Amino acid sequence: TQLLEQSPQFLSIQEGENLTVYCNSSSVFSSLQWYRQEPGEGPVLLVTVVTGGEVKKLKRLTFQFGDARKDSSLHITAAQPGDTGLYLCAGSGAGSYQLTFGKGTKLSVIP
Amino acid sequence: DVKVTQSSRYLVKRTGEKVFLECVQDMDHENMFWYRQDPGLGLRLIYFSYDVKMKEKGDIPEGYSVSREKKERFSLILESASTNQTSMYLCASSLRGSPDGYTFGSGTRLTVV
Repeated sequence: TQLLEQSPQFLSIQEGENLTVYCNSSSVFSSLQWYRQEPGEGPVLLVTVVTGGEVKKLKRLTFQFGDARKDSSLHITAAQPGDTGLYLCAGSGAGSYQLTFGKGTKLSVIP
Repeated sequence: DVKVTQSSRYLVKRTGEKVFLECVQDMDHENMFWYRQDPGLGLRLIYFSYDVKMKEKGDIPEGYSVSREKKERFSLILESASTNQTSMYLCASSLRGSPDGYTFGSGTRLTVV
């Protein structure tokens, strides 16, 4: 069974600070996604990474896929209150498009 | 804009009632999924479907059934609702052969009293 561990579970920071959240596994994934979920809504896909070592940027968000494709990180620069939400990572194994989800990191950005 | 639409945002049902949760996608996706989301437990897969009239059990299928008579529609059925089925239910779809993840609906917050 593939498992994804996310850390930290909760994060509360002041507006303007930087932060990094982590997604780790002992399994290799063929691709990995990051989602953001706002309260009362469904998760929304932010990015997909497929190549070991890949780095993708989405405005102030930087996503990295580990070289061994077992881990990923999300870095937010100068966090804004609009970044508040639950960040979920999800991975799929080779030949499977069923995703394994982490339990998420709940981020609160205080104005 | 592509969409996954869940028929209700909020539902309140009584214990023992039969409950239908509907999900429709307009993206011609082959794969459809039903999850429930509970604090501290994350997203748990109930059932999924890779094609019309096809269904597979996920991690927690007990007390649920599904129906997929048309490609765009995937229904979740609670045969006899119980209070421990109070949860946020999320439907998702994905394109076969694509690594691009899921498109989720907005969710149905079900309360069983």
